[in-house]
Amino acid sequence: DSGVTQTPKHLITATGQRVTLRCSPRSGDLSVYWYQQSLDQGLQFLIQYYNGEERAKGNILERFSAQQFPDLHSELNLSSLELGDSALYFCASSGPGGYTFGSGTRLTVV
Amino acid sequence: DQQVKQNSPSLSVQEGRISILNCDYTNSMFDYFLWYKKYPAEGPTFLISISSIKDKNEDGRFTVFLNKSAKHLSLHIVPSQPGDSAVYFCAAYRGSYGGSQGNLIFGKGTKLSVKP
Repeated sequence: DSGVTQTPKHLITATGQRVTLRCSPRSGDLSVYWYQQSLDQGLQFLIQYYNGEERAKGNILERFSAQQFPDLHSELNLSSLELGDSALYFCASSGPGGYTFGSGTRLTVV
Repeated sequence: DQQVKQNSPSLSVQEGRISILNCDYTNSMFDYFLWYKKYPAEGPTFLISISSIKDKNEDGRFTVFLNKSAKHLSLHIVPSQPGDSAVYFCAAYRGSYGGSQGNLIFGKGTKLSVKP
């Protein structure tokens, strides 16, 4: 157990729908990052939050949004889903102990 | 523009031999470089890292070499074991700012197969 918890592990949904992915960071970590891994691609950075505030943005689509709550857990919201959004979505947290990744949510859009 | 590149999608090595995984980068502002190992259906797990001020870091069977002038780093695994078979990602980030570390920039990964 890495200490970073992601739910759900698997998600199957139809095009046009909206889903929410959840991440609980490792205890004590203030930063949360979201990454997307599509087929044959490396991990693409989407967005970072630090102590509730957005800190950096990467290749995140406008249909996607995220937030970090006062208890430091984070949610990634994906809306108007397209087939191409099917991917593994990873959350990571960082702190004095370095980066730690969760086991990911596999999203399948049908 | 891909800032971190792993040009070999796959590598096959015999058990007991050395595995060498390579990574190139373009951004000279990176402060840290990391290697992650990833099994299917799992998140990346940290393997080893190196600061930009060093040229070598060793941890057991794993050694990372950094050549800043060439903007190149490599991961050596000696001796390779079948359990090392996984996808290896090279990653880099700029150091801490405002209390938070920079986001990781990943290469596309190299799939290592170690044959018994």
